[in-house]
Parts: sequence; C-alpha cells; structure tokens
Amino acid sequence: DARVTQTPRDKVTEMGQEVTMRCQPILGHNTVFWYRQTMMQGLELLAYFRNRAPLDDSGMPKDRFSAEMPDATLATLKIQPSEPRDSAVYFCASGFWRAEAFFGQGTRLTVV
Amino acid sequence: SQQGEEDPQALSIQEGENATMNCSYKTSINNLQWYRQNSGRGLVHLILIRSNEREKHSGRLRVTLDTSKKSSSLLITASRAADTASYFCATDVLPLGGANSKLTFGKGITLSVRP
Repeated sequence: DARVTQTPRDKVTEMGQEVTMRCQPILGHNTVFWYRQTMMQGLELLAYFRNRAPLDDSGMPKDRFSAEMPDATLATLKIQPSEPRDSAVYFCASGFWRAEAFFGQGTRLTVV
Repeated sequence: SQQGEEDPQALSIQEGENATMNCSYKTSINNLQWYRQNSGRGLVHLILIRSNEREKHSGRLRVTLDTSKKSSSLLITASRAADTASYFCATDVLPLGGANSKLTFGKGITLSVRP
C-alpha cells in the first residue's frame, strides 16, 4: 500500500535550534509539495518540486527555511533557526502533475 | 495567499441529511479538487473535476463546477456520523506567466454530522 511517509511525527525543540523534517514520496510521483497548517492561516503552500527541481518556494520565509530534494526518494524541509511562530503541522504530499495529491500524516512541530 | 474560499466555515447537520459546501476561487484553474481531513491527520483526496467538466459523481459525493462564476460545490448525500471532518477545496492554478501549475488550498469547512 503506497503512502507518503513523514518523519518525525512530532518534534518539540527550543527556539534557535535547527529542525529537519523528512518526507519519502510515493515511488514514481513526479511532484512533491510542502505545506504548513495552522489554525489562523490554514494550509499554506511553502514549496514544491517537479522532477526534483524546485519550482516555487515563494511561500517560504527564505532567511530561515530551505527545501531540498537530494534524490527521488527523499524531500527535506529545514528551519534554521527555529522560532515559536514556526509551530505548526507540516505536511508533505506527492502526486503527478495536475492530478490528486497524496498526503503524509504530517510533522507536528512545537518550538518553545 | 489563499486561492479558494470555502463557505460556510462550519456546518452542522443531522445524520441522513444532505450537506452542501461551496468553494469560490479567484484565478483560472486547470482543475479543482476536494479533500477531507480527520482530526489534524493528513488530507485525503475525494474527487477531482477538470475545468472543462461541469459535474462529477463518486458514491455519495457530487461535485459541480461553474467556471464562469469561479465556484464549485460539494454535495454529500445521506450523511453519516462518520462524515464528520474538515473539507477543503484545492485549485490547481497556473501562475501568471508561469508554465508550472501548483495546488493551493482554502481554509476548510468543518462538518459535524449528529447521530
């Protein structure tokens, strides 16, 4: 049963620390999305990749966030340094271009 | 920025009733999709309707799309308590001057189905 896998599921960290979230997309999917969900803002698109190439990261605070796809089986989202306002649930999703997206279970990040 | 806006924000109905949720969007789309989310878990895709389609069915779900009004509706017939969840519309949007579309979500509708 193919699924998108995200690690860790939960992360509590202190302000100023680096946070790395990982995502294993479904094998064969050519598009990977990173979203952030908060009560106030809903689901925000942070960045997305097509065929591992970054296409749009305009939704990300560039000074502290970075997203990469070192190979077809791994996408990463890093925050350095983390701040309390980064507390949210971060979702990775994968799919084919212009088709439905399959979501992981999310990483719940708490920055204290 | 949010492309789609769902309406209402919250909906409470009795089991067996139909639930209608609406979505409006701002710019031209390739397709529109509806998703469901249970209690902060990952979103699950329900149905996709392309910009050249007007209506689509899947089980108890019926989706309509009116591109002239830039709006869509999701109808869940004969609702069940298990349908209680948050529902999101997502639009596959072609950015201005861009060749690559992206999937953006509204803030969602909270549906409660009372047994």
